[in-house]
Amino acid sequence: DQQVKQNSPSLSVQEGRISILNCDYTNSMFDYFLWYKKYPAEGPTFLISISSIKDKNEDGRFTVFLNKSAKHLSLHIVPSQPGDSAVYFCAASADGSGNTGKLIFGQGTTLQVKP
Amino acid sequence: DTAVSQTPKYLVTQMGNDKSIKCEQNLGHDTMYWYKQDSKKFLKIMFSYNNKELIINETVPNRFSPKSPDKAHLNLHINSLELGDSAVYFCASSHVATSGNNEQFFGPGTRLTVL
Repeated sequence: DQQVKQNSPSLSVQEGRISILNCDYTNSMFDYFLWYKKYPAEGPTFLISISSIKDKNEDGRFTVFLNKSAKHLSLHIVPSQPGDSAVYFCAASADGSGNTGKLIFGQGTTLQVKP
Repeated sequence: DTAVSQTPKYLVTQMGNDKSIKCEQNLGHDTMYWYKQDSKKFLKIMFSYNNKELIINETVPNRFSPKSPDKAHLNLHINSLELGDSAVYFCASSHVATSGNNEQFFGPGTRLTVL
C-alpha cells in the first residue's frame, strides 16, 4: 500500500514556463513533506520542504503548496530552466514514527525542460 | 569532497552469491539509512542506524544484514542473492533521527544486478 503517490511519471515543459509537479498522500499522520531532486547516476538531493502547519513554502524559483484537506501537495518551479530536468521525488514523514527519521517516498516524476 | 560515498557503484553477480555494499559519510551525522529503489522506481527504507544502534528494520528478508562499525559507516551484506534483489541501493545520512524536517543526504547509489 503506497502512502505517497506521484501519479504523473513524466512532465515536459518549455524553458521559462511553470512546472507543476503533484503528489498525493493517504496517511493523515504525515506532518512534514519534502521534495528531492535526482539526476541520473546520482543520489537524490534535498530541494525544499513544508510542515503540515503551513500551506506554502517558497525558496527562490521553487514553491511547495500543501492542501491538507485534499491530502495533496505540489511543487511549482518558475521559471523552469533546462538544468531543472531531473527526477523529482516527493517524501513524507510523521512524528508518530517515533523519531526514527523514516521517510516515505513517492515513485518520482521525470521533468524535462526544453530549451 | 564526497559527503556520502558508496562502493561499489555497480555490482553484477550470480544468484546464490554473498555480497557487500559499503557506505561512508564524512558529514558527522549520527544517523544512516539504506534504501532500495526497485524497478517501479519507489525508494523504500530498509534500515536505519543511529549512533550504531538499529532503529528502523523494515520488512526485509533476513538475508540482508546491515552492519555499522562506527557512526560514519553503514555496510549492507546480502546473503544468497536472488533475482529479485536486483535494484539500486542508496545509502543516506542525516544529522539526527527525528521525524519532521529530516533532510537526508544520499550517496550516488549502487546498482546491483543478479544474474
